[in-house]
Amino acid sequence: AQSVTQLGSHVSVSEGALVLLRCNYSSSVPPYLFWYVQYPNQGLQLLLKYTSAATLVKGINGFEAEFKKSETSFHLTKPSAHMSDAAEYFCAVSVPRTSGSARQLTFGSGTQLTVLP
Amino acid sequence: EAQVTQNPRYLITVTGKKLTVTCSQNMNHEYMSWYRQDPGLGLRQIYYSMNVEVTDKGDVPEGYKVSRKEKRNFPLILESPSPNQTSLYFCASITSGRARSEQFFGPGTRLTVL
Repeated sequence: AQSVTQLGSHVSVSEGALVLLRCNYSSSVPPYLFWYVQYPNQGLQLLLKYTSAATLVKGINGFEAEFKKSETSFHLTKPSAHMSDAAEYFCAVSVPRTSGSARQLTFGSGTQLTVLP
Repeated sequence: EAQVTQNPRYLITVTGKKLTVTCSQNMNHEYMSWYRQDPGLGLRQIYYSMNVEVTDKGDVPEGYKVSRKEKRNFPLILESPSPNQTSLYFCASITSGRARSEQFFGPGTRLTVL
């Protein structure tokens, strides 16, 4: 079975600083990887996903993530944090199955990002 | 506008009083899913549905039921709620059954069981 570990349940950065949110996965087969963002009192929204094409994936709002197979990582980065980036971020993993793949999306425990003025 | 709606958004109830949380999507997706979100645990899948009248258990199905009589609706039923079901619930509509598919989430239902 696949799993996801997000290092750091809370991350604080200053406005304009680099954002780095860490995600490591475990999977016995090549995975698909996702980052979702949850703004206060809202549902989750897809930021970006890796589906075995380019290893560097660009998403919405200036975020990007790099799939590193050797490190089993899919860290999320943004060069310059904005106040509007404050939210909770979830990494998730899915693996191909012969059927019922939709049920195999496994989420990490989330990282709350705080952006300081 | 593509969307997933859930009702109610907030609910406070008492132990044992049956309740239903509705979920509806307008994207004509076959796949839908229910999750619960608890602090420090992320989202855990309760049930999912691959099409009308086709449902299956997720990781934490105990104490929950679902039905899928129409493609657009996927209600979550708690026959006898207990305090350990106090949580934030999300419905998701999924673009396909493939592992690479994207999930569109509703706004969430915050349930408190006293």
